[in-house]
Amino acid sequence: EPEVTQTPSHQVTQMGQEVILRCVPISNHLYFYWYRQILGQKVEFLVSFYNNEISEKSEIFDDQFSVERPDGSNFTLKIRSTKLEDSAMYFCASITASEAFFGQGTRLTVV
Amino acid sequence: AQSVAQPEDQVNVAEGNPLTVKCTYSVSGNPYLFWYVQYPNRGLQFLLKYITGDNLVKGSYGFEAEFNKSQTSFHLKKPSALVSDSALYFCAVSYTLNDYKLSFGAGTTVTVRA
Repeated sequence: EPEVTQTPSHQVTQMGQEVILRCVPISNHLYFYWYRQILGQKVEFLVSFYNNEISEKSEIFDDQFSVERPDGSNFTLKIRSTKLEDSAMYFCASITASEAFFGQGTRLTVV
Repeated sequence: AQSVAQPEDQVNVAEGNPLTVKCTYSVSGNPYLFWYVQYPNRGLQFLLKYITGDNLVKGSYGFEAEFNKSQTSFHLKKPSALVSDSALYFCAVSYTLNDYKLSFGAGTTVTVRA
């Protein structure tokens, strides 16, 4: 079965630091999403990305967040200046017309 | 806004017994409904989805779900649960076909005891 790979599995960072979460989506997929899940809360949509640009973003996805696909394979989520409330599990999804494949997630802990 | 509700935080069943995980959705257009499962330290795995057509949808690992428009429900079922079915289950909805801007439920932890 195709797999979406996310690295790192766990990231601890100090408040105010920049973090980059990485995702390797399934090759030949064109749509990519980021979701997050704060501990004990629902999985929330952050942003969708198609054709090298953001197609939709949620209210959560403010100016501190950015996404890019720098080398045509990796898909990254950057948080410029982390806050305590950014602590969550972040999931990348690689999409076809019929199914979304999710990665195993990166647990981000901001201290 | 589109949403789903999973009224049970936890479901406990004995192995071999039927398993039901409940999900209801808010009415706003035609819903496209999904079930995902999350095992410890793993990503969200797709189980099944309802787009249109037959209200009974069959998915992976012997799971099925029934779309009930009158009750706005999409409960996940398995006739005979296995210990390996113990996991976190999420219901999700989208109101646009092929748009995976999904709205997830809070999740239901299923524990199947031997």
